Parts: sequence; C-alpha cells; structure tokens
Amino acid sequence: DGGITQSPKYLFRKEGQNVTLSCEQNLNHDAMYWYRQDPGQGLRLIYYSQIVNDFQKGDIAEGYSVSREKKESFPLTVTSAQKNPTAFYLCASRPSAGRNNSPLHFGNGTRLTVT
Amino acid sequence: KQEVTQIPAALSVPEGENLVLNCSFTDSAIYNLQWFRQDPGKGLTSLLLIQSSQREQTSGRLNASLDKSSGRSTLYIAASQPGDSATYLCAVKEDNDMRFGAGTRLTVKP
Repeated sequence: DGGITQSPKYLFRKEGQNVTLSCEQNLNHDAMYWYRQDPGQGLRLIYYSQIVNDFQKGDIAEGYSVSREKKESFPLTVTSAQKNPTAFYLCASRPSAGRNNSPLHFGNGTRLTVT
Repeated sequence: KQEVTQIPAALSVPEGENLVLNCSFTDSAIYNLQWFRQDPGKGLTSLLLIQSSQREQTSGRLNASLDKSSGRSTLYIAASQPGDSATYLCAVKEDNDMRFGAGTRLTVKP
C-alpha cells in the first residue's frame, strides 16, 4: 500500500538535545511538507520541499532544519534553538507543488515531548 | 494574510441527525478547499476536495459546498453515526501552502 510513514510515533527528549523526525513516502510525490499542530490551533507550516535537493521555509521555520536528499525522504530536525518544541508533528505530500488540483496526503504524525 | 475559521469549535449531536460544519476564509484567491478528518492522535485523512471553479463535491453521506465570493464552505454530514466522531478540519490552497482552520470536534452520541 502506498502511503506516508512517520517514525517514531512518540518521542521524548530532554531540553537542549537535537532530535530528528523521520518521514518516508512511497507515493512518488514530488512535494513534501512538515506541519506542526498545537491544541486549539490550525496546522502551521514549518518547511516544504518541491523537488529533491530543494526546500523552503514556512511560517515557523526558526529552530528547525530539513534535508531532501532523496525523493521519498524528508527528515525534520528539531534543534535546541526551538523554544517550545513539544507538539504533534505531521508530514504530508502531494504529487507536485504546482498541481493545484491534487489533494494533500498525511502521515500519522509524531508526538514530541521535550522536558 | 489568509485566515481560516471554523465555528463551532465543538459540536455534540445524537445519532441519526443531519449536521453542518462551517468553514470561512478571508481571501477568496484560493485554488481549492479540502476537508479532512482527524481521529485522536492520528494524521489527517482527506474527505473531499473542491476546486475553486466548483460549487460542491459529494462522497457517500458527505457533501461539501464552496462559495468563494463569500469566503465560505460547509460540510454536510447526513444521518450521523458514532463512527463519525472526530475532528474535522478545512484548509484552503494558496500558492505554495495550505492554510488550515483549527477544526470542529464532533461527537455523535449513540
């Protein structure tokens, strides 16, 4: 079955440590996205990538970094510079960023808790 | 900057009732609008996508409408069931991003 796999489902880290969240898709999609979800708020875009080896900052990129070395993989690193990292992180993809008629597909998310 | 609002934040109905969820957006220059369902602790599942040139889309007991000029969309759920209990989110597509509402948490009581 085609889909988006995020791992791990739950992640616990101590303050000051960097942590990397995995996102893999086998849908052959060009565009991939990272969102953050906090209670009572809409999803907010952290980073997105339209093609391999290219990515752009979203609305809340500070304290985060990404890479896109392979089409199917878009890992997100939450650095110690992120002031409030505890949240639910969602990875998404669509066939192409330019195809406005294509729906967005989501993984099942990673819940990160930093203490 | 585009703002997407969903009211109410929470809704509780008895099983079998027909219901409408609302979504409003401030900038009508959108490519499409997508409705999602989210179960607790899970990702988002796409329900319906309406292109900017369309007025509505239907899938089973779900019907979504779009009125771009007034900045509104509705999701109609017919004959609600306890399994419909979830959070429903709408999102509008702009150039490089989608803007999401905070969602409506629906509870359907048996």
